[in-house]
Amino acid sequence: QSALTQPASVSGSPGQSITISCTGTSSDVGDYNYVSWYQQHPGKAPKLMIYEVSNRPSGVSKRFSGSKSGNTASLTISGLQAEDEADYHCSSYTSSSTFVVFGGGTKVTVL
Amino acid sequence: QLQLQESGPGLVMPSETLSLTCTVSGDSISSSTYYWGWIRQPPGKGLEWIGSIYYSGSTYYNPSLKSRVTISLDTSKSQFSLRLTSVTATDTAVYYCARQVTWERKFDPWGQGTLVTVSS
Repeated sequence: QSALTQPASVSGSPGQSITISCTGTSSDVGDYNYVSWYQQHPGKAPKLMIYEVSNRPSGVSKRFSGSKSGNTASLTISGLQAEDEADYHCSSYTSSSTFVVFGGGTKVTVL
Repeated sequence: QLQLQESGPGLVMPSETLSLTCTVSGDSISSSTYYWGWIRQPPGKGLEWIGSIYYSGSTYYNPSLKSRVTISLDTSKSQFSLRLTSVTATDTAVYYCARQVTWERKFDPWGQGTLVTVSS
């Protein structure tokens, strides 16, 4: 069982917006602005899409945005495209001995 | 451009030791800004942090694996390595190495990953 809770799947039609949630505790997501999101296509390594809750690395589309409220972080993909179909994983800094925690991953399907 | 590449056996017998090496190119492995980490992903499942090492040699391990894990660093070869002892079928996974920013713990970039199967 993963430390952070994500929905198993989210779907949307091309052009729509979808939001993926990532729920933790006051020891991780709730107390630190160090939430990251990774995109993973089948058979590929994860790719950093969002860091420090809402920052995008150079080269990542502006259609990807992040936010946080309380113990829950969110990743929003706007203007959904076929290429966005992938698994998305959240992670967070944690004050526990676990050092860093991940969510279980969310499969995004473009209908 | 920083690149990481995992290497090691793809098949390990139960009860034996899994050994993998990550070779870093394009940047110094001795930077004080980063940890160097191992993450794994069992087939069809999510990501699990295994452990990380600092350039000084300080190590940090997932408590659930700590008794079986050793991560080491060879700065002369720009490599860091993972040893996982007494493996079982539940250790079958794709193993990734990655650079990890110290203050926020994000991983970027990642190696391509290597599948390790535990089976007799």
